[in-house]
Amino acid sequence: ETGVTQTPRHLVMGMTNKKSLKCEQHLGHNAMYWYKQSAKKPLELMFVYNFKEQTENNSVPSRFSPECPNSSHLFLHLHTLQPEDSALYLCASSQEATSDTQYFGPGTRLTVL
Amino acid sequence: EDQVTQSPEALRLQEGESSSLNCSYTVSGLRGLFWYRQDPGKGPEFLFTLYSAGEEKEKERLKATLTKKESFLHITAPKPEDSATYLCAVYYNQGGKLIFGQGTELSVKP
Repeated sequence: ETGVTQTPRHLVMGMTNKKSLKCEQHLGHNAMYWYKQSAKKPLELMFVYNFKEQTENNSVPSRFSPECPNSSHLFLHLHTLQPEDSALYLCASSQEATSDTQYFGPGTRLTVL
Repeated sequence: EDQVTQSPEALRLQEGESSSLNCSYTVSGLRGLFWYRQDPGKGPEFLFTLYSAGEEKEKERLKATLTKKESFLHITAPKPEDSATYLCAVYYNQGGKLIFGQGTELSVKP
């Protein structure tokens, strides 16, 4: 595997379910990011991790819980989501959490029923 | 307010018809401007990074330029496979993060 991978690619869940999104980067980077992309809206930064430490939480509701066990893996744990949380969730990585270029994964298309 | 604005929102071209996409920004202390291409249902694909006014970068039919207030993505003799949404993003001193414009949806017809 090369670049940034995300699983699953598609997820349908009910509002009472608990699920997790997984991201893995094979680029040797130290920073990882979660973004939300809704239709006709700019990408919204959710969380930033730099050397496994969370450095940014962009006022994200607590029903989204990130986890970064090491610099190569990033998870987004989901629970009691709302239909308006349906979106494309994108993971990205960069060498460090600075102005370095960010490389994106293919995304997880989430639908909340 | 720090923001990034892209225009036009949508652009339809005939194959071979050259044009430009605009990205204007109002941030202080620009540290980098990034262009990405995004196909439907996929993640953004990195194209260019520009760091200072006057800088230019080229890749195949694409050329990106940067001034103190805006960036242009010039597309020369586009082909249908250039159809995608093009995203601009800015990293600046006070923000400490990347902020994106809303994108320009480009459609190239044969």
